[in-house]
Amino acid sequence: DTAVSQTPKYLVTQMGNDKSIKCEQNLGHDTMYWYKQDSKKFLKIMFSYNNKELIINETVPNRFSPKSPDKAHLNLHINSLELGDSAVYFCASVRGHSGANVLTFGAGSRLTVL
Amino acid sequence: AQSVTQLGSHVSVSEGALVLLRCNYSSSVPPYLFWYVQYPNQGLQLLLKYTTGATLVKGINGFEAEFKKSETSFHLTKPSAHMSDAAEYFCAVSRNTGNQFYFGTGTSLTVIP
Repeated sequence: DTAVSQTPKYLVTQMGNDKSIKCEQNLGHDTMYWYKQDSKKFLKIMFSYNNKELIINETVPNRFSPKSPDKAHLNLHINSLELGDSAVYFCASVRGHSGANVLTFGAGSRLTVL
Repeated sequence: AQSVTQLGSHVSVSEGALVLLRCNYSSSVPPYLFWYVQYPNQGLQLLLKYTTGATLVKGINGFEAEFKKSETSFHLTKPSAHMSDAAEYFCAVSRNTGNQFYFGTGTSLTVIP
């Protein structure tokens, strides 16, 4: 039973299209994140939600919009896709508010923009 | 502000040799420190973490790391590399509250047969 599951795993699309990636965690965690990993493996935080409330919103283009319908789900919608959006997007979650707690990552969603 | 520096984006070792991956952090207060591993086409998973107490921390797969406050370091070691250790390794730091995690740029480990 997957703890943090992301769909789709692979996504190939044309420039200018709109796409969504979904994330669900069944761990009962309070905080969820979206990270972007580029081709050099750099891992950059994009957004963080705690119990449906946005708490981290890094410098990300407005074309990216997260939505958290409940604390177990965090979706990422991307408008007007650009070539530079090609990356692997990871969802992660953590329990509680202590920095000692461990992030649990999904397997990633590889987005390719042509 | 907190940051993490991983020296060496690529490290190659022979099978059976010592693995040493370097991590230095900057933090105004003692942080929590983590090492995560990412195998090809997978998400990150925890190798080990330091919160308080003993400064030598043991993790999975024979890895360990030592928190050295005077050197602001948290280097990862393994006495004998195995082919299955080939992966990307990330050092991370967090504060005691706030759920903000800061990752290093990663070190790709290659194990040569």
